[in-house]
Amino acid sequence: DAGITQSPRHKVTETGTPVTLRCHQTENHRYMYWYRQDPGHGLRLIHYSYGVKDTDKGEVSDGYSVSRSKTEDFLLTLESATSSQTSVYFCAISERQVSPGANVLTFGAGSRLTVL
Amino acid sequence: RKEVEQDPGPFNVPEGATVAFNCTYSNSASQSFFWYRQDCRKEPKLLMSVYSSGNEDGRFTAQLNRASQYISLLIRDSKLSDSATFLCVVNIRDKIIFGKGTRLHILP
Repeated sequence: DAGITQSPRHKVTETGTPVTLRCHQTENHRYMYWYRQDPGHGLRLIHYSYGVKDTDKGEVSDGYSVSRSKTEDFLLTLESATSSQTSVYFCAISERQVSPGANVLTFGAGSRLTVL
Repeated sequence: RKEVEQDPGPFNVPEGATVAFNCTYSNSASQSFFWYRQDCRKEPKLLMSVYSSGNEDGRFTAQLNRASQYISLLIRDSKLSDSATFLCVVNIRDKIIFGKGTRLHILP
């Protein structure tokens, strides 16, 4: 499997506290993504990165920020966590395939966040 | 309209049967298409890409219909190990959008 790790794997925090989730890859892939997965909603894109310091918003970016200062690390920050951000967060990486737009994703094992 | 829509199921299918899922997408600029599989409490994993000409991988066949904007997945001779959630995925430029998934239960 591709070298992609997420940390922490589980976290319980209180409303209003900052939280940072880390995604680390050893594959030197250009693209990195953060998704959240909730019952009834499926996987929803939060933010993604297409290179160092190059990021863009996904469909549910409010309340989240990201940073990518190195190819291998993509950080997701909740500046002030809310209960609605309780979710499972998946990081994914990809390297563009031969066909334009054909990005195949490899996922990390997920980070389960509970905001009380 | 959601960008990617799937029937959530569950589909309860006896072992050995054939089952098919469809997925519709709304953006005609969508460039590439995939099926992912997700087991309970695990990360999604790529099952297969979907090509315009259709493609097959063992018991699995994927089709793309650009005119009607849907993709399909056919599973033949279903196994107990096929029980999972199947996610339809659409790539639009640098964004990859997931459907909510279709749950499949294979019954012994």
